[in-house]
Parts: sequence; C-alpha cells; structure tokens
Amino acid sequence: QKEVEQNSGPLSVPEGAIASLNCTYSDRGSQSFFWYRQYSGKSPELIMFIYSNGDKEDGRFTAQLNKASQYVSLLIRDSQPSDSATYLCAVRADRGSTLGRLYFGRGTQLTVWP
Amino acid sequence: NAGVTQTPKFQVLKTGQSMTLQCAQDMNHNSMYWYRQDPGMGLRLIYYSASEGTTDKGEVPNGYNVSRLNKREFSLRLESAAPSQTSVYFCASSIQVHTEAFFGQGTRLTVV
Repeated sequence: QKEVEQNSGPLSVPEGAIASLNCTYSDRGSQSFFWYRQYSGKSPELIMFIYSNGDKEDGRFTAQLNKASQYVSLLIRDSQPSDSATYLCAVRADRGSTLGRLYFGRGTQLTVWP
Repeated sequence: NAGVTQTPKFQVLKTGQSMTLQCAQDMNHNSMYWYRQDPGMGLRLIYYSASEGTTDKGEVPNGYNVSRLNKREFSLRLESAAPSQTSVYFCASSIQVHTEAFFGQGTRLTVV
C-alpha cells in the first residue's frame, strides 16, 4: 500500500504571506508528483507537477522535491484569499504491479485571511 | 473543449438498486480513472484503465465494475448499491500513465 501523508491542517495564513504545504510518500520508486487544488464542492484542479529533484516555479507557486528524503512541498508566495482551498498531494506509482496508479494524500485545508 | 465530462451530477439510489456512472473525455487521453472521495479519507482509486482495452483494480474496487467502452469513455457500475457507497465520485484522465491527470466535475451519489 502506497502512502502519501500531508501535514495536518487546517493552515491559516494572512494575505501576502507564504503558505507552505508539505507531503511525504512511502514509495521510494515514485517519479511523478502532483499538487492539486480543490475548492469546496468542486473537483481537484492540477496546479503543479514535478518530476526532478529541486525546485519548480510557476508564478506564485513553487514545488520542491527531495527524492532522497521522500518529501515534496508546495510554497505559495503572496497568498491571496482566493488561494483558500484544500491542497492535495498526489504521487504516481511508476513501476511494478501498481504502475499508473495515482495515490492522494488526505489534503491540507488552507485559509488565507485578509 | 469540454475536458472530462461525467453524468449524472447528482443521484439518489435506494439500497440494492443498480446504476452506471458515465465518463467521457475529449482530450485523446490514453488513461482513465475512477475515484471516490469521502470526508477524512481523501481520494481513493476504485479502478483505472491504463489504455484502451485494459482495466485494473485500485484501492477500493469491491462493489464496483468498470468498462472501457472505447478510448473516450470509461463507465463505473454499481450492481447493488449500498449506503457505504454514498460518496462523491470523480472520473479523471491522463494522456499516459506517467502524466498529470485531469478531473471531471464529480457525481454526488447518495444511497438510502
């Protein structure tokens, strides 16, 4: 059973601050990592993916991956109230009998207050 | 460009009834997935289809069956609905098994 753990929320930050969301995973062979945002009552929406160690930046979002530590994080700079949502970490099994499966963490609820 | 379309959006079933949830994608994706989302449990994979003609069980397949009808369509069937299957169901697709997945808008199913 692949496990994906996210830091327990809820996380509350003021507008303009940096929000840091963390995720660890159990399958050392995983190569593909995704961050989804889910607004209440809506479907998950892909915001970032990362395959290589290091940082990947897209606008106000930065994904960080450390495969040796089996750790992936998402930083949101200049947080806005519209960023308030649940953030889901997902890890894809890239080999073996579970090839292709996407495993999700339970999500971290983020609230950005004005 | 509709992306991933699920029908219906809402459904109420009585225990023991059957139904099929439909999913279609217009992005020419090879892989498709069915998930359920329950409070406190996150998204759990029910079944997936890595490519047309193949289907595999996920984490919670019991009580469900799937059909990959063609490259575009992937249906989920509940043969005899149970209250434990009350959930929000999401269909998703990705161009290949190693790439990012895109989700449909979800089906909220209540079994009474």
